[in-house]
Amino acid sequence: EIVLTQSPATLSLSPGERATLSCRASQSISTYLAWYQQKPGQPPRLLIYDASNRATGIPARFSGSGSGTDFTLTISSLEPEDFAVYYCQQHSRWFFGPGTKVNIK
Amino acid sequence: QVQLVESGGGVVQPGRSLRLSCAASGFTFTNYGIHWVRQAPGKGLEWVAVLWSDGINKDYVDSVKGRFTISRDNSKNTVYLQMNSLRAEDTAVYYCARAERGRYFFDYWGLGTLVTVSS
Repeated sequence: EIVLTQSPATLSLSPGERATLSCRASQSISTYLAWYQQKPGQPPRLLIYDASNRATGIPARFSGSGSGTDFTLTISSLEPEDFAVYYCQQHSRWFFGPGTKVNIK
Repeated sequence: QVQLVESGGGVVQPGRSLRLSCAASGFTFTNYGIHWVRQAPGKGLEWVAVLWSDGINKDYVDSVKGRFTISRDNSKNTVYLQMNSLRAEDTAVYYCARAERGRYFFDYWGLGTLVTVSS
């Protein structure tokens, strides 16, 4: 079973700053990785699929990179609406990582 | 527009059963796998079950195997999650989500329905 770990667990940043979130797989998953954003009381929203492809309607400030076991979600300049929890997900039985919470500093 | 609407949640005693529904609209139902994902209060996302687009193949997370059953009614564009022998640890918001045939990621999600297992 492929396990995903995310770091850091919490990220405290100010609006306008760059956010870098990490997701690591316990074995290679090629580029079969997706990222989701979830705000309180809402379902998750797909941001990135296949490691680097933005989903429909997702702003260009969100970008994904990586392959194999190491992946990164970057938010180039945080907007107030970006403070949320971010999850990665892999293709093997659709399991999710534990999430990274991006807090306002 | 694409919509997934869950229903059937509520408060149930341990050991009892509940059936959740996920009504789909705005897309060709049979081209997509429908998944259930749950989220316990204050916790992360846990994938629970899938019914593949063929309507036949299914898979479950180990913790619900033998207790939960996923099924589909094509005439109603609805997927069901029959949950038996419920436990306190099944308490969560249950979301249904779709994944295009051959894809692993979920591009649309419902708003979720809350299941509380408590005596």
